[in-house]
Amino acid sequence: EAQVTQNPRYLITVTGKKLTVTCSQNMNHEYMSWYRQDPGLGLRQIYYSMNVEVTDKGDVPEGYKVSRKEKRNFPLILESPSPNQTSLYFCASSPQRGRITDTQYFGPGTRLTVL
Amino acid sequence: GQNIDQPTEMTATEGAIVQINCTYQTSGFNGLFWYQQHAGEAPTFLSYNVLDGLEEKGRFSSFLSRSKGYSYLLLKELQMKDSASYLCAVPSGGSYIPTFGRGTSLIVHP
Repeated sequence: EAQVTQNPRYLITVTGKKLTVTCSQNMNHEYMSWYRQDPGLGLRQIYYSMNVEVTDKGDVPEGYKVSRKEKRNFPLILESPSPNQTSLYFCASSPQRGRITDTQYFGPGTRLTVL
Repeated sequence: GQNIDQPTEMTATEGAIVQINCTYQTSGFNGLFWYQQHAGEAPTFLSYNVLDGLEEKGRFSSFLSRSKGYSYLLLKELQMKDSASYLCAVPSGGSYIPTFGRGTSLIVHP
């Protein structure tokens, strides 16, 4: 089944404890991205990647890191989480290549709470 | 630059028709998406418009006017399961990567 998976789905952690949220897609998509979703603010893009080893900042990249060593995986790293990073996180992928706008396929979401 | 505006919340009755509007401002236009998102779940693709006019897909239709920077999503024969948030997304500033509006929460009541 074609899908985007994220792990963990739920995580409660404490301030400053490094964490990684994994994202994997099995559709051979080149484009992947991370969003956070907060009440009243909608979906905001954190980072995106157009291809392996190519990553760019989205609208709210502060406090986050990403890597794209393989096409299928795009982990989100919080080196020192803070309470304002408590949010619902979505990973997405798209077959988009270059100058073609294409739909995005979203993972199930990761609900993160930082105490 | 990018600015997307949608109503925050709408309510409608089961069986009725509802129109959810989206206005946008962008320096380069590369299409407009509508996504549906049920509470706590991932957004799912509904429609994509790049040319002016109405695109119909079952009970859902989407309209685009590029000259007015305006789109709407039309939902017919509303069902309770249509209660969800509807997100308008537009690639910004000539890019091909959509920016999302804040979404319209639709509540369908009996």
